[in-house]
Amino acid sequence: EAQVTQNPRYLITVTGKKLTVTCSQNMNHEYMSWYRQDPGLGLRQIYYSMNVEVTDKGDVPEGYKVSRKEKRNFPLILESPSPNQTSLYFCASSLSRAAYEQYFGPGTRLTVT
Amino acid sequence: RKEVEQDPGPFNVPEGATVAFNCTYSNSASQSFFWYRQDCRKEPKLLMSVYSSGNEDGRFTAQLNRASQYISLLIRDSKLSDSATYLCVGWGGGADGLTFGKGTHLIIQP
Repeated sequence: EAQVTQNPRYLITVTGKKLTVTCSQNMNHEYMSWYRQDPGLGLRQIYYSMNVEVTDKGDVPEGYKVSRKEKRNFPLILESPSPNQTSLYFCASSLSRAAYEQYFGPGTRLTVT
Repeated sequence: RKEVEQDPGPFNVPEGATVAFNCTYSNSASQSFFWYRQDCRKEPKLLMSVYSSGNEDGRFTAQLNRASQYISLLIRDSKLSDSATYLCVGWGGGADGLTFGKGTHLIIQP
């Protein structure tokens, strides 16, 4: 089954404790991205990757890191999480940045206390 | 910066009614538009593309008005299962990726 998976789905953590949210897709997509979704603010892109070893900042990259060592995986790293990073996070992939259909993972609900 | 604006709602509509909502965009260079659907606490999924000539898929009709820079979505004979948030999405054509509106929340009431 073609899909984007994320782990964990739910996470409660404390300020400053490093965490990684994994994202994996099995569709051989070149383009992957991370979004956060907050009430009243909609989906905002954090980082994106157009291919292996190619990453770039989205609209709200501060406080986040990413890496793309393999085509299928695109982990999101929060080195020192803060309460303002409490949000719903989505990973997405598509054939390319030019493709309009993005496939989203199921989401990770993160709470930072 | 491209912007896509939507009325957040909620739109409360009785089952069986027809409902329509629009979104407006600020970048006339935007090439294409789409509607995504997002169920509560779930991931967004592509619903349909929007063309100037109109695009109909069953009970759903999407329309693009380039002169007035707005996109519309019409849902006929609404079902309880249509309750969701509908995201208007603009596509600048490659380099800029997708621009998501904040969504319109639709509630179909029995």
